[in-house]
Amino acid sequence: KQEVTQIPAALSVPEGENLVLNCSFTDSAIYNLQWFRQDPGKGLTSLLLIQSSQREQTSGRLNASLDKSSGRSTLYIAASQPGDSATYLCAVKGGEGVGGTSYGKLTFGQGTILTVHP
Amino acid sequence: DVKVTQSSRYLVKRTGEKVFLECVQDMDHENMFWYRQDPGLGLRLIYFSYDVKMKEKGDIPEGYSVSREKKERFSLILESASTNQTSMYLCASSRQRTEAFFGQGTRLTVV
Repeated sequence: KQEVTQIPAALSVPEGENLVLNCSFTDSAIYNLQWFRQDPGKGLTSLLLIQSSQREQTSGRLNASLDKSSGRSTLYIAASQPGDSATYLCAVKGGEGVGGTSYGKLTFGQGTILTVHP
Repeated sequence: DVKVTQSSRYLVKRTGEKVFLECVQDMDHENMFWYRQDPGLGLRLIYFSYDVKMKEKGDIPEGYSVSREKKERFSLILESASTNQTSMYLCASSRQRTEAFFGQGTRLTVV
């Protein structure tokens, strides 16, 4: 069974810092890995998607990397701002074994709660 | 823009009621998912559908059932609502190997 772990569980930083969020998964047979942001009481907003054949993706101040063989991904946020405060979740698609219907399943980590203070 | 729409933002139901949560997507996605989210427990998969009329149990299916009669609509059914089903419910959709999109969530309170 695929398991996803995110470290740290919470992070509080002053505005302007560069920071790294970590995600690890147990089964490397994945289709892709996706990073999401969630504001309190709201749904999930997709930030970045990395296909299993890719090493990284960038969007603005965000950069996500993927090392599939070691089961790790990092989300790098440059020059953090108070508006970045949210919960960040990573999710992997697949990992239940080759073929079969479970291969489209999306498994989440517990999330990292980020607070950026002015 | 991809849209995943959940029928209600907030819902209050009584214990024992049958509750329907509806989710509609407009991108012809094969996969649809229902999760619940509780503090300290993260997102837990209730049911997953990989095509019309096809479904698979997730990690916590007990007390729930689902229906997918049309590709764009995935319904979650609480057969007899209980207070321990008070939670945030999130619906998502995706193609088999691509990006997943989420609805805005339904906060269900069972009293």
